Amino acid sequence: SAVISQKPSRDICQRGTSLTIQCQVDSQVTMMFWYRQQPGQSLTLIATANQGSEATYESGFVIDKFPISRPNLTFSTLTVSNMSPEDSSIYLCSVEVGQLEYQPQHFGDGTRLSIL
Amino acid sequence: SQQGEEDPQALSIQEGENATMNCSYKTSINNLQWYRQNSGRGLVHLILIRSNEREKHSGRLRVTLDTSKKSSSLLITASRAADTASYFCATDEYYGGSQGNLIFGKGTKLSVKP
Repeated sequence: SAVISQKPSRDICQRGTSLTIQCQVDSQVTMMFWYRQQPGQSLTLIATANQGSEATYESGFVIDKFPISRPNLTFSTLTVSNMSPEDSSIYLCSVEVGQLEYQPQHFGDGTRLSIL
Repeated sequence: SQQGEEDPQALSIQEGENATMNCSYKTSINNLQWYRQNSGRGLVHLILIRSNEREKHSGRLRVTLDTSKKSSSLLITASRAADTASYFCATDEYYGGSQGNLIFGKGTKLSVKP
């Protein structure tokens, strides 16, 4: 198991601004994931962040809009750039912990973002 | 892209009753996982069932997997008000044996009335 802290827990932002979300894990992990959950919807993977390499983005998500940093094995940030009301969502980070061949993901509580 | 599709979308039951949620998916998988999300919180992992397993239990939870029908079910027995949450299935698509990314379904919103 892992304890994952996300900051901020929520924010209200103005159109055109950017916000950086932090994700801190209490243990070293190789892979960290960033998801978006639009209101009343399921989770969509934005990107996978490995320490020491560029993040891998899923179809429909680009680095210019969602730059990600992964400076070490316990921390990552996701920036939502040039925000518009369509970016209003919950953003969640998750990690895989354990040595099993297949292992579950552990999630932070998410950042609830509203853009005016 | 969406993989899992849960049904029903919403389920309302009385405390003590059993709740059954179903999930269907489209591609070959390594495993299927169920998660719970309480309002305003992140997801909590409940159970993982591998593609070569047919049934798995954890406390009041029972998960079945039918790979021929590409479907899974989650049964919560003797439900409690605290089970009120959204439940998501997530599939780990098969990429020649290696673990892929999780693809989440749309979820079932369960309401358990005291």
